[in-house]
Amino acid sequence: AQSVTQPDIHITVSEGASLELRCNYSYGATPYLFWYVQSPGQGLQLLLKYFSGDTLVQGIKGFEAEFKRSQSSFNLRKPSVHWSDAAEYFCAVGSNDYKLSFGAGTTVTVRA
Amino acid sequence: NAGVTQTPKFQVLKTGQSMTLQCAQDMNHEYMSWYRQDPGMGLRLIHYSVGAGITDQGEVPNGYNVSRSTTEDFPLRLLSAAPSQTSVYFCASSFQGAGGYTFGSGTRLTVV
Repeated sequence: AQSVTQPDIHITVSEGASLELRCNYSYGATPYLFWYVQSPGQGLQLLLKYFSGDTLVQGIKGFEAEFKRSQSSFNLRKPSVHWSDAAEYFCAVGSNDYKLSFGAGTTVTVRA
Repeated sequence: NAGVTQTPKFQVLKTGQSMTLQCAQDMNHEYMSWYRQDPGMGLRLIHYSVGAGITDQGEVPNGYNVSRSTTEDFPLRLLSAAPSQTSVYFCASSFQGAGGYTFGSGTRLTVV
């Protein structure tokens, strides 16, 4: 069975500071990995995805994530956060690209 | 393009009532899924479809039915609503192999 753990429920970061959100997954083979962002009252938007190849993946809005097979991790990073990055972030894993398991989410608060 | 359209946006049901949540996409996506989102639990897969006429159960299918008679539409039916089905429901679609869902804006359902 596949599963995702996002260890941090809530993170507060200052505007302009760097951000890293952790994601650990459980899956036997090479998984399909995704990061989504959800603004309040909205649906989810895909930030980036990893299927194979280069383990450092670039996404939209200046985000990147690194797949580390040895650590079963797919952490999301941004060098300098903006106030508009305040949202909830979800990591997801799948054995294919249509049947996904989501983590519980990490809420990011950005302080001025 | 409208993307993924969900209706209604809000609904209040009484215990035991039935209803259908509508989902339509205009992107000719093969894959469609229904998720429910509950606080602290992320998104959980209810049912999914890999094409017209093909559906399968996800993680939490009990109490819900789906059908996929056309590529565009994927309605979710609640057979006899229960308070435990109070949640936010998201429909999502994806192009085969592209990876990463496009989500609708959600239906907030309250069962009293």
